[in-house]
Amino acid sequence: SSKLTQDPTVSVALGQTVRITCQGDSLRNHFASWYQQKPGQAPQVVIYGKNSRPSGVSDRFSGSRSGNTASLTITGAQAEDEADYYCESRDSEVVFGGGTRLTVL
Amino acid sequence: QVQLVQSGAAVKKPGASLKVSCRASGYNFTDHYIHWVRQAPGQGLEWMGQINPNTGGIDIPQNFQGRVTMTRDTSLITAFMDLSTLTSDDTAVYYCARGVAERPEGVKDYSYYMDVWGKGTTVIVS
Repeated sequence: SSKLTQDPTVSVALGQTVRITCQGDSLRNHFASWYQQKPGQAPQVVIYGKNSRPSGVSDRFSGSRSGNTASLTITGAQAEDEADYYCESRDSEVVFGGGTRLTVL
Repeated sequence: QVQLVQSGAAVKKPGASLKVSCRASGYNFTDHYIHWVRQAPGQGLEWMGQINPNTGGIDIPQNFQGRVTMTRDTSLITAFMDLSTLTSDDTAVYYCARGVAERPEGVKDYSYYMDVWGKGTTVIVS
């Protein structure tokens, strides 16, 4: 199955913009979904498809794709955005990226 | 509201089997796949497979084939995941999640994602 690669850690200053990336061959033909997971909680989807947000997710979150790379952008990061973020995609089967721990400084 | 309620935590001996349940409510159970995802302590998310509650058809990735079985009981609106021959490496939180497939108007490709997750079932193998 395809592999999705994420940077293990990313940091951002409070109020600044941060991009979390996800690389993999399956992304050339399939959208990525992005999940936020806070300690002790189940993941929750923040971005899916071309650039869709579920109801209740802040419009600080946006998604994009170029070639084999999908990106999650948080514009004006807040303290509550500190979490682990996972990309997910699929070709013959579902695959998750290894996750990115976002620290808001 | 849409909910997935999972069975409680379990402690298992090596070599034993595990059965986790996931009861759905708030939507038509047969309209959405159920995915199973696990997370070992301090590790990332690992997909274990999916079941189509309408047909009972399952898709299991190669690394779990032969050890994982997924079933459902539509009368109980519940999906089940069985994992056999447990080892300490199976110590993890096990999640069920509802799958969504949609294609917005004007967009060529489908969007697939998991929109509702259970709270997780902690399993310790020791």
